[in-house]
Amino acid sequence: DGGITQSPKYLFRKEGQNVTLSCEQNLNHDAMYWYRQDPGQGLRLIYYSQIVNDFQKGDIAEGYSVSREKKESFPLTVTSAQKNPTAFYLCASSISLGQGEKLFFGSGTQLSVL
Amino acid sequence: AQSVTQLGSHVSVSEGALVLLRCNYSSSVPPYLFWYVQYPNQGLQLLLKYTTGATLVKGINGFEAEFKKSETSFHLTKPSAHMSDAAEYFCAVTISGNTPLVFGKGTRLSVIA
Repeated sequence: DGGITQSPKYLFRKEGQNVTLSCEQNLNHDAMYWYRQDPGQGLRLIYYSQIVNDFQKGDIAEGYSVSREKKESFPLTVTSAQKNPTAFYLCASSISLGQGEKLFFGSGTQLSVL
Repeated sequence: AQSVTQLGSHVSVSEGALVLLRCNYSSSVPPYLFWYVQYPNQGLQLLLKYTTGATLVKGINGFEAEFKKSETSFHLTKPSAHMSDAAEYFCAVTISGNTPLVFGKGTRLSVIA
């Protein structure tokens, strides 16, 4: 079955540590996105990518980095510069940018600070 | 830039009662509007969408929404709430399908037996 796989489901970060969240899709989608979800804040866009080897900052990119070396993969690194990383992170993909009716979400990764 | 405002972070209804979740948008050009539902610790699922054409759109699970340009609104309704409707609901907007979706802050729906 086609879909988006996020791993791990739960992740713990120590002070000063970088951690990487995985996102893989087998839907042959060009566009991929990372959203951060905090209680009462909705979903805020961190980064998005329209095609391989290209990505753009979203509204809250500071303290995060991404890469898009393969169409299927869009990993997110939470760096030590992100001082408040505890949140639920959602990866999504769509055929092309902005296709909300064909926007598929992964099951999310809950990141917590030790 | 486009944005959405969801009125009410938490709505509580009795089982069988009308569900009304409010969403107002801001956009300088015709928007594409969406409602998504999220169950605990899961991703989001599309409930319904408005792009062009008929302003009353029907979605899954008996939900519908009406696009009202004059009121810049896209409220979500369901005639009769079911216990399984308890979840968080998000309104989202994009400009003509060419920009990433911008989400509202969400409304948590509780259904009381």
